[in-house]
Amino acid sequence: DIQMTQSPSTLSASVGDRVTITCRASQSISSWLAWYQQKPGTAPKLLIYKASGLESGVPSRFSGSGSGTEFTLTISSLQPDDFATYYCQQYNSYPWTFGQGTKVDIK
Amino acid sequence: QLQLQESGPGLVKPSETLSLTCTVSGGSISSSSHFWGWIRQPPGKGLEWIGSIYYSGNTYYNPSLKSRAIISVDTSKNQFSLKLTSVTAADSGVYYCARHGNVVVDPAAMGFDYWGQGALLTVSS
Repeated sequence: DIQMTQSPSTLSASVGDRVTITCRASQSISSWLAWYQQKPGTAPKLLIYKASGLESGVPSRFSGSGSGTEFTLTISSLQPDDFATYYCQQYNSYPWTFGQGTKVDIK
Repeated sequence: QLQLQESGPGLVKPSETLSLTCTVSGGSISSSSHFWGWIRQPPGKGLEWIGSIYYSGNTYYNPSLKSRAIISVDTSKNQFSLKLTSVTAADSGVYYCARHGNVVVDPAAMGFDYWGQGALLTVSS
């Protein structure tokens, strides 16, 4: 199985901050990576597909980059609605696997 | 607007079989462009993909479930289902159904783009 490792596990930030979350794959997954946002008690929401594709309806302050084994999710200016947990997921090969999550909370 | 809704018992005894159904509305489960999947989340933990099914019945599973998971589809009802046998407390958590793309049609569109609200399962005697 491909292991997905996110860092940091928790990130404290303020509204307006630029935030970057890293996701590393245990082997190359090309660009077959998605990012999700999850708020407590709700289902995850797809933000980014194929490493850098912005899902329809997702604010442009979210962006993704990377390929191979290292990927980043960047929020250019953190908004109050962005405090949540973020997950990466590889779909290069079965079984599909998720990172352990990065919780973004208020500093 | 596509909607997915999980339904199931909520409480299952250890060693018994969990059965969950996902009802799809606002779109057809027989879409050639999509697969339908199950993902679970133990309390306070991360996400685990269980498996996915195509409307034709073609399935993919996570080997970590050690063949305990069976996913089926009923196109006449626009539903797909999950059965998980020999459950233990470790199977407790929220179970989500979700849609993802078909790699043959569009390899980029493989993220889970529509999700159900989730069904909480507790395994306890």
